[in-house]
Amino acid sequence: AQSVTQLDSHVSVSEGTPVLLRCNYSSSYSPSLFWYVQHPNKGLQLLLKYTSAATLVKGINGFEAEFKKSETSFHLTKPSAHMSDAAEYFCVVSALDDKIIFGKGTRLHILP
Amino acid sequence: DTGVSQDPRHKITKRGQNVTFRCDPISEHNRLYWYRQTLGQGPEFLTYFQNEAQLEKSRLLSDRFSAERPKGSFSTLEIQRTEQGDSAMYLCASSLLVGKGETQYFGPGTRLLVL
Repeated sequence: AQSVTQLDSHVSVSEGTPVLLRCNYSSSYSPSLFWYVQHPNKGLQLLLKYTSAATLVKGINGFEAEFKKSETSFHLTKPSAHMSDAAEYFCVVSALDDKIIFGKGTRLHILP
Repeated sequence: DTGVSQDPRHKITKRGQNVTFRCDPISEHNRLYWYRQTLGQGPEFLTYFQNEAQLEKSRLLSDRFSAERPKGSFSTLEIQRTEQGDSAMYLCASSLLVGKGETQYFGPGTRLLVL
């Protein structure tokens, strides 16, 4: 069975400093992995996805994530946080039947 | 706007009433998914369609819930005899099945409050 664990429910960083949102997955085969962002009162937006091509995936708004099979991780990073990055972030794993499973989410707070 | 749309965006109802939500997917997408999201949680899978066929239903989907996608385009999710525990955000997503790692595109959701 597939599962995904987001290691932090809340992360706070100062504007202009790096962002790291941690995600570990469990899968019995090579998964597809996604990060989605949800701003208040807005729909879920795809940030980036990994589908067994390059292990370092670049997404929108300066975010990127690295797939590390040995660590079963897919952490999301951004070099410099912006106030507009404050939102809920979800790590997602795709199951064999393409059904996707969401993590519980990490709320990112940006301090001025 | 060619994204996924959902209607209504908000619904307040009294316990015991029936409610129906609509989802219009991206036009060429053959898969349509319904999720439920409660406060502080990630979305949970409810059911999905490939074209007009409903391929899977989660055990979260009790017999009070029914979903249809009659012509393989829009879909409706009906909840009968609503309960306070049904209060949640109901999300719809669509995708085009082209192989591994299809991307699901989400609508803005319908927020349901059962009083």
